[in-house]
Amino acid sequence: NAGVTQTPKFRVLKTGQSMTLLCAQDMNHEYMYWYRQDPGMGLRLIHYSVGEGTTAKGEVPDGYNVSRLKKQNFLLGLESAAPSQTSVYFCASSYGRTDQETQYFGPGTRLLVL
Amino acid sequence: KQEVTQIPAALSVPEGENLVLNCSFTDSAIYNLQWFRQDPGKGLTSLLLIQSSQREQTSGRLNASLDKSSGRSTLYIAASQPGDSATYLCAVAYNAGNMLTFGGGTRLMVKP
Repeated sequence: NAGVTQTPKFRVLKTGQSMTLLCAQDMNHEYMYWYRQDPGMGLRLIHYSVGEGTTAKGEVPDGYNVSRLKKQNFLLGLESAAPSQTSVYFCASSYGRTDQETQYFGPGTRLLVL
Repeated sequence: KQEVTQIPAALSVPEGENLVLNCSFTDSAIYNLQWFRQDPGKGLTSLLLIQSSQREQTSGRLNASLDKSSGRSTLYIAASQPGDSATYLCAVAYNAGNMLTFGGGTRLMVKP
């Protein structure tokens, strides 16, 4: 049981380049989330998904797009990277059905935009 | 806009000390409150989850309390150990679906 995995672990981009971050979970969770973590700001929700084929905006969605074509995968895309998107990105998943369920986090992707 | 605040931002204590980490939130209509641990360069690990109807939860040396009326939660760590050194994050869910609002974290160092 791998839990939540993220690919890649680290990436350097130039301003204007595009990339896709992949998140995969093997726990059959309905809900998946993308967060970014910046120094002193905790984690902020970018986008989330409540099931296959559905996505919704979180607190800081601008500059990002997401897709959930398969239940186990949640992709985060940057179409034109900006230095302000330098951050650590975390994916998480949960069943999301009751108030007893926590989220399970991946190890993170460090992104540096030059 | 819901806000979650953690004080202090950093804390250094000698081994064996009991300590309290604080979390406050602006909207008392919460769904649940969660405490996570984050080691440097790693993801988050869930420590305790307190449902809206509960007042506290315990796991080993950890005890988390919830007071919705005052908008506060505390994480109590008994007999601290160097292995407890990490960043502790408080997060609040305001609805089903568990979308979390995080505090900025408390970075804890336990010195041998």
